[in-house]
Amino acid sequence: EVELSESGGGLVQPGGSLRLSCAASGFTFSLYAMTWVRQTPRKGLEWVSSISSSGDNTYHTDSVKGRFSIYRENSKNTVYLQMNSLRAEDTAVYYCARKFYGIGADASPVFEYWGQGALVTVSS
Amino acid sequence: ESVLTQSPGTLSSSPGERATLSCRASQSLSSSSLAWYQQKVGQAPRLLIYGASSRATGIPDRFSGSGSGTDFTLTITRLEPEDFAVYYCQQYGSSPVTFGQGTKVEIK
Repeated sequence: EVELSESGGGLVQPGGSLRLSCAASGFTFSLYAMTWVRQTPRKGLEWVSSISSSGDNTYHTDSVKGRFSIYRENSKNTVYLQMNSLRAEDTAVYYCARKFYGIGADASPVFEYWGQGALVTVSS
Repeated sequence: ESVLTQSPGTLSSSPGERATLSCRASQSLSSSSLAWYQQKVGQAPRLLIYGASSRATGIPDRFSGSGSGTDFTLTITRLEPEDFAVYYCQQYGSSPVTFGQGTKVEIK
């Protein structure tokens, strides 16, 4: 059974940093591109960052470029989202999602499986 | 960036009824690159449909998708109690992928 489990969310001050982790199980992690998607009541669902199966290629939405980075450790079946210079508008539930193999590109995937989400709150 | 507009915002229906949800794209989607997701309160989205009309694994056949170009439809032939939720469309024909704002299907 495919499982994705996020951790690392919490309350952080504006300008601060946070690292989210997503531990995967139930599939061959190194074969799949992975993505972070966030959700807020105001903006709805928003794609944030994606990473290829090897980790060689990464993609980010414009609003987080230069502040967020995505990387993975295939030996640990884990993908991370390092978030720096956080802003109030980054407050959201962050989901880790696995790309649907063979459908869409790594930079524009379909999301076959999702984790349960991690809440990130940026506030002073 | 392709903007997706879903209608209606809220659909009030009764169990057993047919539900028709619409998703319109601001630009034509290549290869019918549209997916539908269901999200229940407190849960992550769940993939229902990809490629505009292909059901994901384990999705009941009362869910069907259709459309091409800029106009797409999700149909639930007979609403079951567990189908009352929010539904989102997503385009993956161009980067960045984008989502519609959602249609809430509520019990009348």
